[in-house]
Amino acid sequence: SQTIHQWPATLVQPVGSPLSLECTVEGTSNPNLYWYRQAAGRGLQLLFYSVGIGQISSEVPQNLSASRPQDRQFILSSKKLLLSDSGFYLCAWRPPGQPYGYTFGSGTRLTVV
Amino acid sequence: AQTVTQSQPEMSVQEAETVTLSCTYDTSESDYYLFWYKQPPSRQMILVIRQEAYKQQNATENRFSVNFQKAAKSFSLKISDSQLGDAAMYFCAYRSAFASGTYKYIFGTGTRLKVLA
Repeated sequence: SQTIHQWPATLVQPVGSPLSLECTVEGTSNPNLYWYRQAAGRGLQLLFYSVGIGQISSEVPQNLSASRPQDRQFILSSKKLLLSDSGFYLCAWRPPGQPYGYTFGSGTRLTVV
Repeated sequence: AQTVTQSQPEMSVQEAETVTLSCTYDTSESDYYLFWYKQPPSRQMILVIRQEAYKQQNATENRFSVNFQKAAKSFSLKISDSQLGDAAMYFCAYRSAFASGTYKYIFGTGTRLKVLA
């Protein structure tokens, strides 16, 4: 069966520290992968998506970056966190060719202090 | 650009009663998909129901049904026989049918549903 794993579940980081959030998908190949952020009182905002290894598209210019070093691995990073980076980060995947139906990971709650 | 609006930040419903969550959207496209997602306290996003814009028939999934009014750009979710497990944040989402492979979703800000015992 296909599963998506996201970690860590919770993270508290000081301003200016680096960030690395990881998302992996099992049981499928060549998935489309997405990073979303949910800020307090706001809807989900698409940050990055990837249709293949090394292929990253950014939706919002910001302090974050993403990488896809392997087919089923998607990493969200930052060199120096800002207070405004706090939020709930969700990874999602979609099988290629399926027109709808994301499957979301369980999310990471990031608090920058 | 497309937008999705959920004007009800919070709703309450008595257990076993029916509640309707509102969603409006704005688009100039003729073909698209609409979704309702549920986010319980566990934070796991779960797809509740979807509607293809080209279909006139309203989608139904067990106790969940939608009222899709394409001309009015309205997409409300009706939950019948509400249960305590329905308590969650509900997000309305839009996806263009012409997404050029990205399949980007546009989400509303959510409605928190409380179910009262």
